Amino acid sequence: IAGITQAPTSQILAAGRRMTLRCTQDMRHNAMYWYRQDLGLGLRLIHYSNTAGTTGKGEVPDGYSVSRANTDDFPLTLASAVPSQTSVYFCASSPVGQETQYFGPGTRLLVL
Amino acid sequence: RKEVEQDPGPFNVPEGATVAFNCTYSNSASQSFFWYRQDCRKEPKLLMSVYSSGNEDGRFTAQLNRASQYISLLIRDSKLSDSATYLCVVNTLDSNYQLIWGAGTKLIIKP
Repeated sequence: IAGITQAPTSQILAAGRRMTLRCTQDMRHNAMYWYRQDLGLGLRLIHYSNTAGTTGKGEVPDGYSVSRANTDDFPLTLASAVPSQTSVYFCASSPVGQETQYFGPGTRLLVL
Repeated sequence: RKEVEQDPGPFNVPEGATVAFNCTYSNSASQSFFWYRQDCRKEPKLLMSVYSSGNEDGRFTAQLNRASQYISLLIRDSKLSDSATYLCVVNTLDSNYQLIWGAGTKLIIKP
């Protein structure tokens, strides 16, 4: 059982380029989340999905979009990357009725 | 003021010592509290939930003080493997069950 996988592990991206970070879970968890983690700051929620077919905006959604076509996948898209989107991105999931979140290994993104 | 505040450290502690750190939260409506552990360049993992009556898991003890709006984590007989960043997390029900994360306290256990 893999849990949550994220791809790519790391990426260097030119500003203005479009990029999709992939997240897949095999635990059949209903809820999924995308966070970014920056030095000196706590994890900040970008977008979330409480169940397949629904998404919501978190604390820092601008410049990002998500989709939830099925239970397992929750991709995060940067339509036109900017240097301030340089960060470590974590995908997480949680089962229905539980607050515990399980995280993927993260994607390190550098936007130049 | 940040919603969840932690002393960033680092706390440099000799092996075998006891160490404690606190986390304060600003929203008195907060309902659930957690400590997560994050190793360097790894993902966060749940260490323990924090219950109103306080709870213990082996060498780790978590306590909640609602009146003063802080939670604490105590680590006894610290091990080298306890070196990590400890993240304080708060769930406020009026924010759509979203978790609010502290920036973390870095702990370094020295031999």
